[in-house]
Amino acid sequence: EDQVTQSPEALRLQEGESSSLNCSYTVSGLRGLFWYRQDPGKGPEFLFTLYSAGEEKEKERLKATLTKKESFLHITAPKPEDSATYLCAVYRRGGATNKLIFGTGTLLAVQP
Amino acid sequence: GAGVSQSPSNKVTEKGKDVELRCDPISGHTALYWYRQSLGQGLEFLIYFQGNSAPDKSGLPSDRFSAERTGGSVSTLTIQRTQQEDSAVYLCASSLASGSYGYTFGSGTRLTVV
Repeated sequence: EDQVTQSPEALRLQEGESSSLNCSYTVSGLRGLFWYRQDPGKGPEFLFTLYSAGEEKEKERLKATLTKKESFLHITAPKPEDSATYLCAVYRRGGATNKLIFGTGTLLAVQP
Repeated sequence: GAGVSQSPSNKVTEKGKDVELRCDPISGHTALYWYRQSLGQGLEFLIYFQGNSAPDKSGLPSDRFSAERTGGSVSTLTIQRTQQEDSAVYLCASSLASGSYGYTFGSGTRLTVV
């Protein structure tokens, strides 16, 4: 069964304290791994897509990496405005539906 | 439109009433998805529409839930005889045909059943 597991569930950092969020997955025929950011009361906002092991993507203080079993979202010198829930999802093509399967997210709080 | 639009943004209903949630996807996006997000839970897939193909309803939790998409654009999710466990945020997303480039989500409808 396809599964996406994110850890930790919650993370509290001081401003400037770098860290990483983990997304491990088991899925047959991975066609893409996605990272989204979700602010309270809003829908998820797209951050990155990774398609193959070894691939890396960067955006401001965020860098996403992918291996055959997991992905990391590295946050360098975070700021309070980086506080949000970060969601990981995998795209598996096949069967009746092409759909994203989501993890439960990591709630990140960055304190000034 | 520029983004995915959902209405209403908030809905409070009495147990046993029917509700309709609306989603207006991005123009040109042929795929449309409904997800449900409960407190502390991940996004739960409900239903998927792709062009004129029959929708994939495999995620609908019970026969009280139904959805339609008219003219390949606007979609309506209907919940009949609402129950308290239906309380959640209902998110709509749209994408280009394959979905492999990711989805664009709306802001959701927060449904509260009292």
